[in-house]
This record gives sequence, structure tokens and C-alpha cells, in this order.
Amino acid sequence: EPEVTQTPSHQVTQMGQEVILRCVPISNHLYFYWYRQILGQKVEFLVSFYNNEISEKSEIFDDQFSVERPDGSNFTLKIRSTKLEDSAMYFCASKSLDGPYEQYFGPGTRLTVT
Amino acid sequence: AQSVTQLDSHVSVSEGTPVLLRCNYSSSYSPSLFWYVQHPNKGLQLLLKYTSAATLVKGINGFEAEFKKSETSFHLTKPSAHMSDAAEYFCVVSGTPNFGNEKLTFGTGTRLTIIP
Repeated sequence: EPEVTQTPSHQVTQMGQEVILRCVPISNHLYFYWYRQILGQKVEFLVSFYNNEISEKSEIFDDQFSVERPDGSNFTLKIRSTKLEDSAMYFCASKSLDGPYEQYFGPGTRLTVT
Repeated sequence: AQSVTQLDSHVSVSEGTPVLLRCNYSSSYSPSLFWYVQHPNKGLQLLLKYTSAATLVKGINGFEAEFKKSETSFHLTKPSAHMSDAAEYFCVVSGTPNFGNEKLTFGTGTRLTIIP
């Protein structure tokens, strides 16, 4: 069964450093998402992406964040200058244009900012 | 606007007894509703979904949920709990049914513990 994959599974970085989290969505999906889950809190929407542009973003997704689909398979989330409060599990999800309409989630990347 | 309230942060049941995880929703549109499960150190797995078809929805691993519009509820049930059901469960609402690039809004989660 096709699945969403994410790399790395765990990333440790120092405050102020740039990080790129990578996702490979399911191959025929056209809608892409990033969510995050701070330890002990609920999953929060960050951004949605379709047709090579952002469709919607939350207030969390400020100028420090960006997303990109650099080629036909990868979908990336970049944090330009990480803060301690960016430490969280980051989930990528994708959805088909034609159905089924649920979002399929990857296993997540745990980002630890020290 | 849309929101989800999971009424219990933690539920404990004995193995073999029924499970009930409660969820109430609020949505400006006719909602799509989902239950996702997260096992320790794992990703989010879809258990079941409601998208304006049958109000009683059956999912994987024997779980089911009933959409009750009058009560704005979407409670998750299972007749007989198994040790492997121990996990965090999220009730999730989507604002527009099936179409477009809609975001998911998650509840705060219910941790299900199974007592041997």
C-alpha cells in the first residue's frame, strides 16, 4: 500500500540554524500539508499546498517558514532560523484529487531545537 | 470556523469491555469528520471517516462511529477492547466535504488505556 514517507525521523539542531524537513507524498496525490504537534499538545495545521502554491496557512506559519515542491516527488518544509519553541513533531500529509478524500499522514519528523 | 471537543483526555477500560470515546464538533459547513489513532512513537493512522453518507460509519479494527447532527457528536465506539487498542485517539473535523484543499482541525486527543 502506498504511504507518505518523511526524512529524517529525528533532527537535532541549534537555535538559529536552518532546517529542511523532507516528505515524499503518495505519488498520485496533488494536495500537500504540513502539521505539527508540540509535545503534549494537539496536532496543529501549518500550511496546505496545491498547484505549486500555498492554499492556506495558519498564523503559526510566519516568514520563518517556507514550503517547496522542488521536483515531482518531494515536498519540503524549511525553517530559516529555528527557535526553541519550534521543537515539535512535524507531520506531512497528502490527499488525492480524485478520492478517497482523506489525508494520509507520514510517520513524522521529530525536531529538537537546543 | 470549525472546532472539535474531545470530552475525555484519558479513558481506561478493561480488556474485553466496550470502548466509548466522546467527540463534539462545531462547523460552519456540513462537516467531514474523522477519527485518527496514534500509537506511541508512530504516525497518524485513519480509523474511519464520515463524509455525508451513512451516519453510522465502520472503520478498521472493529471501531465505529455515529454522526448525530442534532447532538453535534461523533463518538467512537468498539464493542470489545483489545490490548493493542491502547493509543491516543484524535477526533478531527474538516470544514468542507471532500473538496478543495481544506485543513484538518484536531481535537486535543483521548489517551485510551486498556487494563489487562
